Amino acid sequence: GQNIDQPTEMTATEGAIVQINCTYQTSGFNGLFWYQQHAGEAPTFLSYNVLDGLEEKGRFSSFLSRSKGYSYLLLKELQMKDSASYLCAVRAYSGAGSYQLTFGKGTKLSVIP
Amino acid sequence: DSGVTQTPKHLITATGQRVTLRCSPRSGDLSVYWYQQSLDQGLQFLIHYYNGEERAKGNILERFSAQQFPDLHSELNLSSLELGDSALYFCASSNNEQFFGPGTRLTVL
Repeated sequence: GQNIDQPTEMTATEGAIVQINCTYQTSGFNGLFWYQQHAGEAPTFLSYNVLDGLEEKGRFSSFLSRSKGYSYLLLKELQMKDSASYLCAVRAYSGAGSYQLTFGKGTKLSVIP
Repeated sequence: DSGVTQTPKHLITATGQRVTLRCSPRSGDLSVYWYQQSLDQGLQFLIHYYNGEERAKGNILERFSAQQFPDLHSELNLSSLELGDSALYFCASSNNEQFFGPGTRLTVL
């Protein structure tokens, strides 16, 4: 099976930087994804890492270390609208040509003035 | 807008009933995934279809079934509904990353 851990809640100040960590254990690793989800809404894709290193996309960056089973999402210049849950998801090969995404329980980020 | 559509947006029904949720993937995507998200749970993978064929099953109850039609839209059938089936049900379609539909909020009374 797969195990994905991320903090349940975090609070950060508007304009600051926050790092949300994710650790995972899996076999057949085929990529790590970060999604943002506002309450009651659909998850929206933020970033994808399949090789080690940092991927930068505007105010959002994501890092992956496959040997350590570790990723983080970095959010810079926080805005109030960034208050949401951030979901770490690991894709792994599940057989019969299927790749399955397993999601962590999400980190609820609250941005305060 | 992800390009994935789901209907209905809300569904309220009684225990023991059966409902059908519908999903249309993004144009060109052959894969459809179904997920359940309860209040205190993360997104739980239910089932994956690719071009009409079932490819993988996750934590899907025997009371639940799905299919994908030749036009690639998919339906999730939930039967003998229980109170605990109340949840948000999302479908996603995929080329590489998964794009999620807006979800169907199911309330079982």
